[in-house]
Amino acid sequence: GDSVTQMEGPVTLSEEAFLTINCTYTATGYPSLFWYVQYPGEGLQLLLKATKADDKGSNKGFEATYRKETTSFHLEKGSVQVSDSAVYFCAQAGSARQLTFGSGTQLTVLP
Amino acid sequence: GAVVSQHPSWVICKSGTSVKIECRSLDFQATTMFWYRQFPKQSLMLMATSNEGSKATYEQGVEKDKFLINHASLTLSTLTVTSAHPEDSSFYICSAREQGGKTQYFGPGTRLLVL
Repeated sequence: GDSVTQMEGPVTLSEEAFLTINCTYTATGYPSLFWYVQYPGEGLQLLLKATKADDKGSNKGFEATYRKETTSFHLEKGSVQVSDSAVYFCAQAGSARQLTFGSGTQLTVLP
Repeated sequence: GAVVSQHPSWVICKSGTSVKIECRSLDFQATTMFWYRQFPKQSLMLMATSNEGSKATYEQGVEKDKFLINHASLTLSTLTVTSAHPEDSSFYICSAREQGGKTQYFGPGTRLLVL
């Protein structure tokens, strides 16, 4: 069945460091891919998305590119801030358009 | 745009009572709403999918008689946890999607504690 595997955390970085959170998926067909962010005590917010191969989603300095050949959608940011500390979820939506989530990656950015 | 609200944000109840959680799409019509459950430091697990005006579709292992879902309008879905027990304590999150849309917009979540 459909699944999402993402890098286990927690990840701790210093402010202005480069961030990569790996995400790979298995799916039949060509799903839409998403990154959601969850701040402490809150629900999920859509961070970015890509709906077809080679699309790049971007928002707030974060980027992820839909790579069909490697079935990946890695999240990157060139310079993280303390305010980026949160849990990040990779997700896919297949033909049924239900979301399948990865396990989440806790990011802590230290000043 | 695309704001989803949940009410209440926190609820504490006694074992055996029922609790209703509301999920509203504030600025769009949500033909489909989803209910998730999240345990501490874990991912979201889909409980059920509801389409406006029809019965909800429950995921395997989710008791439909315990978790009653009603999606009576295009902007409101409710989840009622009936005869709640301590093991039902969790973070419940809803999401909503427009007709034909691919993106789910999430509510802020409701934390339930059953004593």
